[in-house]
Amino acid sequence: DTGVSQNPRHKITKRGQNVTFRCDPISEHNRLYWYRQTLGQGPEFLTYFQNEAQLEKSRLLSDRFSAERPKGSFSTLEIQRTEQGDSAMYLCASSISGTGEKLFFGSGTQLSVL
Amino acid sequence: GDSVTQMEGPVTLSEEAFLTINCTYTATGYPSLFWYVQYPGEGLQLLLKATKADDKGSNKGFEATYRKETTSFHLEKGSVQVSDSAVYFCALSEPGNTPLVFGKGTRLSVIA
Repeated sequence: DTGVSQNPRHKITKRGQNVTFRCDPISEHNRLYWYRQTLGQGPEFLTYFQNEAQLEKSRLLSDRFSAERPKGSFSTLEIQRTEQGDSAMYLCASSISGTGEKLFFGSGTQLSVL
Repeated sequence: GDSVTQMEGPVTLSEEAFLTINCTYTATGYPSLFWYVQYPGEGLQLLLKATKADDKGSNKGFEATYRKETTSFHLEKGSVQVSDSAVYFCALSEPGNTPLVFGKGTRLSVIA
């Protein structure tokens, strides 16, 4: 069990550029979540997958955000045409469905949009 | 919608002091309740949970009791240590294992 891995740890980009983050969950976990966290706030749900199916997306997730989990293993989160308001820590978590939401979190990707 | 409200931080305590971090919730259903902790430089990790009224979750000397009548899930520890310094998040999940809804977090600093 190597834990949930996120890459990159930090990303600095200019407004208007596209960025992509990767999350590798714990291998036997079938659920994968993306959250966003800004300074002084708790994690805010974005979307989650069970295997390769995207089961729920937050209403807060604009059309510029897209997430995939093509083979039910790793996931990518892409933000198109980044805005300064997208600056945040993007957290990935994984779990086994039916375990009562015991989530295992990665250390996150810190995005700064200049 | 569902929400979780935690006491504002930061909380600063001396070692061996008693800790209480208040958490109240609003939910449409009968949620499960959680405390997650984030140590410096690490990812969030589950500290304890409770799934029904009057259940007490406990771990590492921390406890929280699910109080349906007051919609609360306060975190307590009888004697804090410097190593307990972290940010603590209260969270809920509605039945059906819906995604967690987190509070804003409470930063705890314990000084020797």
